[in-house]
Amino acid sequence: DTGVSQDPRHKITKRGQNVTFRCDPISEHNRLYWYRQTLGQGPEFLTYFQNEAQLEKSRLLSDRFSAERPKGSFSTLEIQRTEQGDSAMYLCASSLVGGSYNSPLHFGNGTRLTVT
Amino acid sequence: GESVGLHLPTLSVQEGDNSIINCAYSNSASDYFIWYKQESGKGPQFIIDIRSNMDKRQGQRVTVLLNKTVKHLSLQIAATQPGDSAVYFCAENVNAGGTSYGKLTFGQGTILTVHP
Repeated sequence: DTGVSQDPRHKITKRGQNVTFRCDPISEHNRLYWYRQTLGQGPEFLTYFQNEAQLEKSRLLSDRFSAERPKGSFSTLEIQRTEQGDSAMYLCASSLVGGSYNSPLHFGNGTRLTVT
Repeated sequence: GESVGLHLPTLSVQEGDNSIINCAYSNSASDYFIWYKQESGKGPQFIIDIRSNMDKRQGQRVTVLLNKTVKHLSLQIAATQPGDSAVYFCAENVNAGGTSYGKLTFGQGTILTVHP
């Protein structure tokens, strides 16, 4: 399977703990995006990378959230001191951008976070 | 506490019928639009996209229509099958030709149920 891969699929944690999620994009894609989706809603943009550079962060991304893409390949999203309101599906997507064509965003199956 | 539940528009059709899912977008500056299908427990799956310089685009069994005058987007699915049952999201992108490509704003979603 050469799609976007996310790990873990599910994470249950206690309030106050730190969690980290991993995303492996489609290998030839240079852009990687993080979105968050709560029940009954569409995904909301959090941040994105062009290669290893983080180009934009949403105001939804509080100081407790940090994302990295150190070598321009996989990315991690860390949430520190989790709160119950962080419970959501965290989706990663990737695309190939540049030249005359930008590919559509392809999403992974997400990491479902439950904070108890 | 927060109410949990799905209050999404729903569309129920018989197998073999054509389906039309509608979406009103919010930003007149949006220049790229995309439809996703999301099945339970999975990430959004790309269906079809369209740029603002077009008003119609066809794919396999799907057609997207764009009416910029009234800021309306629709997805037509021909000969709908039970496997088409899912939540369908439209999304818009402002300044898609620039660095903001991929910073999608999703609509609420429509639940499509196809009866055999």
